[in-house]
Amino acid sequence: EDQVTQSPEALRLQEGESSSLNCSYTVSGLRGLFWYRQDPGKGPEFLFTLYSAGEEKEKERLKATLTKKESFLHITAPKPEDSATYLCASAKTGANNLFFGTGTRLTVIP
Amino acid sequence: EADIYQTPRYLVIGTGKKITLECSQTMGHDKMYWYQQDPGMELHLIHYSYGVNSTEKGDLSSESTVSRIRTEHFPLTLESARPSHTSQYLCASSEGGRRTEAFFGQGTRLTVV
Repeated sequence: EDQVTQSPEALRLQEGESSSLNCSYTVSGLRGLFWYRQDPGKGPEFLFTLYSAGEEKEKERLKATLTKKESFLHITAPKPEDSATYLCASAKTGANNLFFGTGTRLTVIP
Repeated sequence: EADIYQTPRYLVIGTGKKITLECSQTMGHDKMYWYQQDPGMELHLIHYSYGVNSTEKGDLSSESTVSRIRTEHFPLTLESARPSHTSQYLCASSEGGRRTEAFFGQGTRLTVV
């Protein structure tokens, strides 16, 4: 069964304390792996698409990487404004939509 | 910046009422989607469309219906709202082809009392 599992469920970091969020996937025929940021009461905001193992994408303090079984979202020297829920999603060949994990709720403390 | 709009942002309505949630995009995307999200839970696809006059049901069963008469417009309708329909409804669109990333609206928080 296709699955996307994110860990940890919640993460509290001090400002400047770097860490990584994990997204494990078991999807046959992966077409793409996606990261989104979601603030409370709002729609998800697109961050990255990764298509193949070994690929990396960066944006400001965020860096996403992909292996054949998991993806990591690395956060370097986070700031309080990085606090949000980070969602991972997969798209498989022949499917019609994105399949989402439950997210990691990140809190960055000043 | 993705241009996809949902109205209303918040709606509180009584049981049995008919409601329509609006979704419009100005990006010319062929593919549009409706997702449902409960607090702390993952997003579940309830409807999708690959173009005008094309609509399909998603993975999560829903009593709602959708229509796609114009490329930019993808409204969702509930004929008779019930408390079990209380949820966050998110509309999204994507370009299609190799570009599979979806862009989301701000969502409609529906409460049926």
